[in-house]
Amino acid sequence: NVLTQSPGTLSLSPGERATLSCRASQSVSSNYLAWYQQKPGQAPRLLIYGASSRATGIPDRFSGSGSGTDFSLTISRLETEDFAVYYCQQYGTSPFTFGPGTKVDIK
Amino acid sequence: QLHLQESGPGLVKPSETLSLTCTVSGDSISSDLYYWGWIRQPPGMGLEWIGSIYSGGSRYYNPSLRSRVTISMDTSKNQLSLRLNSVTAADTAVYYCARQRDYFDSWGQGTLVTVSS
Repeated sequence: NVLTQSPGTLSLSPGERATLSCRASQSVSSNYLAWYQQKPGQAPRLLIYGASSRATGIPDRFSGSGSGTDFSLTISRLETEDFAVYYCQQYGTSPFTFGPGTKVDIK
Repeated sequence: QLHLQESGPGLVKPSETLSLTCTVSGDSISSDLYYWGWIRQPPGMGLEWIGSIYSGGSRYYNPSLRSRVTISMDTSKNQLSLRLNSVTAADTAVYYCARQRDYFDSWGQGTLVTVSS
């Protein structure tokens, strides 16, 4: 199941709203879709699982939505620490696959 | 608190075998609540799932790597292992181990493995 993310890069200012898209080539079984944040030199960090459930300790400015083949991650008001690369991943069907990532950088 | 730490050679020659260990603390890999997985990331690129193992011994691998990869676990040491045979430069990547509840909820810091003569 191939995942496509858009845009490739999103240039925004702190305080703005970010909306990231993830589209799957086939329907994601049971909406088993996760989002991860990765900063330079660090491992990915789980943000969202099950398309819309926040992982432990994740601020409520992060929210996920979607079903079937179309999913999105929204950051309601960007904080400085949110500028990073974001990956979606489907775990409904093996092989588990990741999207190519969206980089959110400072405008 | 859960901690995963990858270790192994940082340089492997082409055609040889890449071998890595992941030492887990703060949780037992024998737990039937989780799988444990390996994921890699070539420099400047995205993430690729390699394979996963369950405490009962079930393993499943990415078909793109299945012919070359073996994942095992040593419950006495609370460690996972990854072996990747016949490596080429395309296998140069940061290799991560992670705890898996279907999604990957905790990751090690990763270890860079370079394939070069």
